[in-house]
Amino acid sequence: KAGVTQTPRYLIKTRGQQVTLSCSPISGHRSVSWYQQTPGQGLQFLFEYFSETQRNKGNFPGRFSGRQFSNSRSEMNVSTLELGDSALYLCASSLNGVPYEQYFGPGTRLTVT
Amino acid sequence: AQSVTQLDSHVSVSEGTPVLLRCNYSSSYSPSLFWYVQHPNKGLQLLLKYTSAATLVKGINGFEAEFKKSETSFHLTKPSAHMSDAAEYFCVVSDRSGTYKYIFGTGTRLKVLA
Repeated sequence: KAGVTQTPRYLIKTRGQQVTLSCSPISGHRSVSWYQQTPGQGLQFLFEYFSETQRNKGNFPGRFSGRQFSNSRSEMNVSTLELGDSALYLCASSLNGVPYEQYFGPGTRLTVT
Repeated sequence: AQSVTQLDSHVSVSEGTPVLLRCNYSSSYSPSLFWYVQHPNKGLQLLLKYTSAATLVKGINGFEAEFKKSETSFHLTKPSAHMSDAAEYFCVVSDRSGTYKYIFGTGTRLKVLA
């Protein structure tokens, strides 16, 4: 089976712009989670989608949003980018979410200038 | 509530010597426990998982972990370190306590000395 894919892999944006990241989960997986990883804050949970519904949400401002499509592909959007949004954004797919294991994509490296 | 503590932020070992990365967890319900490895600028790779079957779990690349309920621990071990094991390792707990979240440890950076 193909693994989790994320596009684009690298992105450079300017402060104030918005960005959309995409994640294609492993075939048959219904849960997709998003994480932000930075050197200072480590891995932080953004949200989880299951069968097109947001099931869990982390402590991030409303500028961070996401959605999941009927084919389980997911997108994450960040509006009004700030310098602090520079991070590695990781997507993970799981058969059904907790308590099953997650499989991670390679990540999207976002740099905000 | 769930929580996970990785007791060492950095561990250094010599190549060919054993590796021990420590993880303690807290969970009100029967937990699922995972270890992931992350090499620089890469995503996380699943090393092994415990989901209430055998308490000694074998994973990829020679790693294994033992679930000890009495000690609430899930330490990761490998008999002989290889240079390619140098990476960051994350212990993760999840359970059906209602939040249905994965809780990540803060990570342990493993350095392997030649």
